[in-house]
Amino acid sequence: LAKTTQPISMDSYEGQEVNITCSHNNIATNDYITWYQQFPSQGPRFIIQGYKTKVTNEVASLFIPADRKSSTLSLPRVSLSDTAVYYCLVAGFNKFYFGSGTKLNVKP
Amino acid sequence: SAVISQKPSRDICQRGTSLTIQCQVDSQVTMMFWYRQQPGQSLTLIATANQGSEATYESGFVIDKFPISRPNLTFSTLTVSNMSPEDSSIYLCSVELNPNTDTQYFGPGTRLTVL
Repeated sequence: LAKTTQPISMDSYEGQEVNITCSHNNIATNDYITWYQQFPSQGPRFIIQGYKTKVTNEVASLFIPADRKSSTLSLPRVSLSDTAVYYCLVAGFNKFYFGSGTKLNVKP
Repeated sequence: SAVISQKPSRDICQRGTSLTIQCQVDSQVTMMFWYRQQPGQSLTLIATANQGSEATYESGFVIDKFPISRPNLTFSTLTVSNMSPEDSSIYLCSVELNPNTDTQYFGPGTRLTVL
């Protein structure tokens, strides 16, 4: 089971690009990498998912190097409303591990 | 994505009692999951619930304490039995929409406080 490691917290300012990296050294061949955003008193919200290289959608980009032992969530031009906890999840064959999450604090 | 609802959204219960949490999804899904999230902590998987079979529990969780039902492809319940204050947590259900990528979508959660 791939354990994930993320920074506990990060600070940023409005308008900046934020990159949050997750380490998953024991990722298996069939595992996908998924990132979630969670606000207080809400369930996690799906942001983006990838297997390798780069994935981009309307809210974020996900960079995964060739060895897949880490991944980086990139949030372009954050706003105050992006203040939340971000989780990296590695999952495969219905085995999941949620890391401790990264609390992102966006300042004005 | 999917629309997932949970009932109740929150409850305050007395120790020794039981609470059943419902999870409803707007489409048919094979896999549903139940998680616990203690205050300020990450999510911990309690069990996986497939329709038509017994739930599969993770280490540290047992059926007597957390019985689960999965009567059809859009609904599941989790019961927290014989509650103690240590059971105070947020309980979340999730569904898997794409089994090839293990993509999960989460419900809003049920905040349980045990006095």
